[in-house]
Amino acid sequence: EDQVTQSPEALRLQEGESSSLNCSYTVSGLRGLFWYRQDPGKGPEFLFTLYSAGEEKEKERLKATLTKKESFLHITAPKPEDSATYLCAVQGELGANNLFFGTGTRLTVIP
Amino acid sequence: DAGVIQSPRHEVTEMGQEVTLRCKPISGHDYLFWYRQTMMRGLELLIYFNNNVPIDDSGMPEDRFSAKMPNASFSTLKIQPSEPRDSAVYFCASSTWTVAEAFFGQGTRLTVV
Repeated sequence: EDQVTQSPEALRLQEGESSSLNCSYTVSGLRGLFWYRQDPGKGPEFLFTLYSAGEEKEKERLKATLTKKESFLHITAPKPEDSATYLCAVQGELGANNLFFGTGTRLTVIP
Repeated sequence: DAGVIQSPRHEVTEMGQEVTLRCKPISGHDYLFWYRQTMMRGLELLIYFNNNVPIDDSGMPEDRFSAKMPNASFSTLKIQPSEPRDSAVYFCASSTWTVAEAFFGQGTRLTVV
């Protein structure tokens, strides 16, 4: 069964303090790994898609990387507006239009 | 475009009552998805439609749940009868071709007491 585990559950950073969020996955035939950002009271917002090990994507202070077993979301010099829950999801070969989501990492960046 | 619109934003109902959640997808999107989010299980796909036709409803937990999409601009998710364990945030999302880059609505927070 496809499975996604995110760690830590919650992370508090000082503004400017870089860190990484982890997403470990087990999936039959990875078709894609996705990162989303979710703000309180809102739906998830798509950030990145990664398709193969070694791939990297960047957007502003965020960089996502992928290996055969896990993905990292690196946050460089975060700002308070980066505070949100970050969700990881995988799409396997068995579920063409189904994503298996992790329960997320709740990031708080303190000014 | 206003994005995916869901209504109501909040719903509180008593156990046993019928609940109907509504969704208006983004115009031109061929796919519509219903998700449920809880603290324990995260986001789970309930059902999705392509061109108004239900394609996969394997995530619908029980026969108490049903979903319809009578036209390209409207979908409903109905729970009858509702139970306390149905309490969650229900999201509707739409996309042009893949769930991975779908646009989500703001969700309906359902509380069944």
